[in-house]
Amino acid sequence: DSGVTQTPKHLITATGQRVTLRCSPRSGDLSVYWYQQSLDQGLQFLIHYYNGEERAKGNILERFSAQQFPDLHSELNLSSLELGDSALYFCASSVSGTPGNTIYFGEGSWLTVV
Amino acid sequence: AQTVTQSQPEMSVQEAETVTLSCTYDTSESDYYLFWYKQPPSRQMILVIRQEAYKQQNATENRFSVNFQKAAKSFSLKISDSQLGDAAMYFCAYRSLPGGSQGNLIFGKGTKLSVKP
Repeated sequence: DSGVTQTPKHLITATGQRVTLRCSPRSGDLSVYWYQQSLDQGLQFLIHYYNGEERAKGNILERFSAQQFPDLHSELNLSSLELGDSALYFCASSVSGTPGNTIYFGEGSWLTVV
Repeated sequence: AQTVTQSQPEMSVQEAETVTLSCTYDTSESDYYLFWYKQPPSRQMILVIRQEAYKQQNATENRFSVNFQKAAKSFSLKISDSQLGDAAMYFCAYRSLPGGSQGNLIFGKGTKLSVKP
């Protein structure tokens, strides 16, 4: 158990809908990262938050947004969903944004868009 | 931009034998971190080992060790005394230092390792 909690574990929704994925980082971790894992794209970095502020953006679509709240939990919002958005979405956390810190991953949220 | 390449989509090893997974990367940065993550069928991403580029000594974690060749931009993972529980996808990953072009993990496509009893 990495200490990173993600909910829901599985989600099935229809095209055009909106979903919210939630992440609670490990106790004491200030950085939260979101990654998407799909068969065709592999593991891709989406976005990084540190202590409530956005630090870096990767290949995140405009239909997707995220935020980190004062209690440090984070949410990834996916809207106008398309079939191609079906993927495993990982949240990860680390103590800070320093590269030397280990990044711990949650178990992921499986999103299926039908 | 940095890239990570794992040229072996699948590998197989006999239980108790040794296997080496390959990883190469491309970067213009001089300092960075390299990682190997394991993803078993449960899909959890688990850190196996990490290497700081400025360290000459290869990292070792129990049965897992790396062969880091900075000049060749190569970072292979050696698994000794393979066990059935080692069967998983293995991802090589790169991370820049602060101030680098990207401070987040860049992953290769992965190598699926099977362990035969």
